[in-house]
Amino acid sequence: EAGVTQSPTHLIKTRGQQATLRCSPISGHTSVYWYQQALGLGLQFLLWYDEGEERNRGNFPPRFSGRQFPNYSSELNVNALELEDSALYLCASSLIASIGTDTQYFGPGTRLTVL
Amino acid sequence: KNQVEQSPQSLIILEGKNCTLQCNYTVSPFSNLRWYKQDTGRGPVSLTIMTFSENTKSNGRYTATLDADTKQSSLHITASQLSDSASYICVVSSTGTYKYIFGTGTRLKVLA
Repeated sequence: EAGVTQSPTHLIKTRGQQATLRCSPISGHTSVYWYQQALGLGLQFLLWYDEGEERNRGNFPPRFSGRQFPNYSSELNVNALELEDSALYLCASSLIASIGTDTQYFGPGTRLTVL
Repeated sequence: KNQVEQSPQSLIILEGKNCTLQCNYTVSPFSNLRWYKQDTGRGPVSLTIMTFSENTKSNGRYTATLDADTKQSSLHITASQLSDSASYICVVSSTGTYKYIFGTGTRLKVLA
């Protein structure tokens, strides 16, 4: 069974540009989570989608947005890129949209570099 | 403020030795606590998940404990192996907010 996949692996942009990151969850998983992991820092929760709806978002400005498609894959869009947006962006999926004991399975991440 | 703090920040041990990683949190109301292992350049992998009523859970050589009263958790690694070299991340989620608060992790290096 394929795990969570993310594309691209690496992305280089300049300040002010827009970046689009993609995530395909494990087959059958309806929930997709996005996280930012800046160098030397812990993971920061960005967004949670389930059944095509945004369920919650972390403390990030509105220029971080996304969507979930009918096939449960997801996009993360970052507008007006800033240098501090450089980070590893991780996507995770889970089977149950619950704060309970659902296990999140992470993808390998997209390394975004803003120059 | 909801926070998760981990200690030590980094740890070096010899292969075959045991070690214990600590996680203290101030997240409230508490829902569950997870430990993840993150190899360099890869996404985190879940090791254990514990709810309020669970105070210990094992996954092979990994044993996690939870004291919900003192808001502390530990991850004990027995008979360490070179492949245990990774970052170990403690994550606490809060009931009703559907948010996950991550610690900054403990970087473990196991030497031969």
